[in-house]
Amino acid sequence: KAGVTQTPRYLIKTRGQQVTLSCSPISGHRSVSWYQQTPGQGLQFLFEYFSETQRNKGNFPGRFSGRQFSNSRSEMNVSTLELGDSALYLCASSPSVGRDTGELFFGEGSRLTVL
Amino acid sequence: AQTVTQSQPEMSVQEAETVTLSCTYDTSENNYYLFWYKQPPSRQMILVIRQEAYKQQNATENRFSVNFQKAAKSFSLKISDSQLGDTAMYFCAFMKLLTGANSKLTFGKGITLSVRP
Repeated sequence: KAGVTQTPRYLIKTRGQQVTLSCSPISGHRSVSWYQQTPGQGLQFLFEYFSETQRNKGNFPGRFSGRQFSNSRSEMNVSTLELGDSALYLCASSPSVGRDTGELFFGEGSRLTVL
Repeated sequence: AQTVTQSQPEMSVQEAETVTLSCTYDTSENNYYLFWYKQPPSRQMILVIRQEAYKQQNATENRFSVNFQKAAKSFSLKISDSQLGDTAMYFCAFMKLLTGANSKLTFGKGITLSVRP
């Protein structure tokens, strides 16, 4: 079974631009969540999508948005990039059906550098 | 809101020895999961071990075991017979237990573990 796939793996943007990151979950997984990882703040929850609906949202400004498609693939978008948005963005998927084990399966991440 | 605290930023252990990583958490919830995740350098994060809060028995997975003290809100990870491949960042994480609806993890800051040959 293929794992969680994130694209692109690396990207460089300049302040004020926008960026879209993509995540393909493990086949059969219906939940996709996104996390931001920085040396200073650690791992912070951005949002979670299940069946194309945002189910949970973290404490991030409205510049951060996401969506999920009918095939469970998800994208997140960051508009008007700031230097502080430089981070590793991790996507995770889970079956999220019934009382599952709670385990999240992570992708390798998209490393965003904002200049 | 939940918080997870890992107070040791770095640890080092000799190969084949045992090391314990500490984690404390704070929550008003009664039903939840606790996890230890491992993030090797430049590689994806993977689950090491999981504990359901309603289970009194400590979880074990081969060389990895936890000491779960619910009343003290403590959740430490013991790695026995440390191997070079255990070198990684380790994150303690908390998840509320909701039937069929939750994938939000609250992570600690992480601890960098180095295994010396």
